[in-house]
Amino acid sequence: DAMVIQNPRYQVTQFGKPVTLSCSQTLNHNVMYWYQQKSSQAPKLLFHYYDKDFNNEADTPDNFQSRRPNTSFCFLDIRSPGLGDAAMYLCATSPRLAETDTQYFGPGTRLTVL
Amino acid sequence: ILNVEQSPQSLHVQEGDSTNFTCSFPSSNFYALHWYRWETAKSPEALFVMTLNGDEKKKGRISATLNTKEGYSYLYIKGSQPEDSATYLCASGTSYDKVIFGPGTSLSVIP
Repeated sequence: DAMVIQNPRYQVTQFGKPVTLSCSQTLNHNVMYWYQQKSSQAPKLLFHYYDKDFNNEADTPDNFQSRRPNTSFCFLDIRSPGLGDAAMYLCATSPRLAETDTQYFGPGTRLTVL
Repeated sequence: ILNVEQSPQSLHVQEGDSTNFTCSFPSSNFYALHWYRWETAKSPEALFVMTLNGDEKKKGRISATLNTKEGYSYLYIKGSQPEDSATYLCASGTSYDKVIFGPGTSLSVIP
């Protein structure tokens, strides 16, 4: 089945130790998104790629970076995780960058920062 | 900044009860309203996307309505079952090429 896969499902890191979360898709969608969701809050868009074009949300901290080496894979790098970065990180894809397009989500990576 | 709000934050119902919850969104620059269901340890999955005022969508026991003029959508679940237990997210698509999510309503259906 075509799907969005995130690895790992659970990640524990230490304060200040860089961490990379990965996302892959078999849907061949042009757009890939990264969201951060903290407890009981709305998923917050960090950035998205439209094909190779990277679009950073204005309020996304510089500590967060992303790479998309090809259509299928996208990575979220947190350079120096702080305690406030503990959250669920969701990857999603969509065929187009359109408000009416359904987004297809992975199961998320739960990040714990010690 | 556009905010999407959902109420209630959480809900506990008995199996067989019908329930509904609300999504409120800014009515200006509206393009689409999405509902997603997110079961624990699974991926959020799309339920509905609605674009026109007065739209109604139905999937099995779940249905949704849309009022774009006043900026709200209702999600209804008829005869709730334990497998309906999940967080229900709504998201508003705006003319700024982005979708803004609400914080979700967490539904627990007690057998």
